[in-house]
Amino acid sequence: EAGVAQSPRYKIIEKRQSVAFWCNPISGHATLYWYQQILGQGPKLLIQFQNNGVVDDSQLPKDRFSAERLKGVDSTLKIQPAKLEDSAVYLCASSHAWRGSYEQYFGPGTRLTVT
Amino acid sequence: SQQGEEDPQALSIQEGENATMNCSYKTSINNLQWYRQNSGRGLVHLILIRSNEREKHSGRLRVTLDTSKKSSSLLITASRAADTASYFCATGDNQGGKLIFGQGTELSVKP
Repeated sequence: EAGVAQSPRYKIIEKRQSVAFWCNPISGHATLYWYQQILGQGPKLLIQFQNNGVVDDSQLPKDRFSAERLKGVDSTLKIQPAKLEDSAVYLCASSHAWRGSYEQYFGPGTRLTVT
Repeated sequence: SQQGEEDPQALSIQEGENATMNCSYKTSINNLQWYRQNSGRGLVHLILIRSNEREKHSGRLRVTLDTSKKSSSLLITASRAADTASYFCATGDNQGGKLIFGQGTELSVKP
């Protein structure tokens, strides 16, 4: 089966600009996650979707970050305006369900550099 | 916030040796998972152990879980150069699929 797809793989922008990332999860996976991974750290959950509803966005900086999952499949994560500290790898993951014990499947990530 | 703390932060061994990584966490969990990340790539799931399990094996991997000490260990036996990567533990709570990751152990296996 095809894995989690993300684009773009790399993005360089200047601070105060906007950027958007796209994710296509594994077919049939109801749950989708966006993580931020700063260099040298583990991934930090930004937002979790169950179908097209938000389950957890407690760590999403809502003044500048937004995410949507229209039709419960693809998702986009947007940063507007970007700050230097947003430089990180943004990982998308999906899983079969969210209650219980399920492994997550990760995409290759988008490496964002804000200058 | 990150729940897991991993030890050591970096580990360098020779091919054929065993590698042991430890993970400690703070709150009650539903499950604990280990992931591998090769440089510049996404994470790959290795193994999941539920809170009512004490030990699990998968190929050359052995994971233990001690809920009384809130700790887990990952053992990789007969390591290979291809095992060189960062290894993360992640805890899943009882409320849903949210995972909280540790900071990772960077493993280097020299041929």
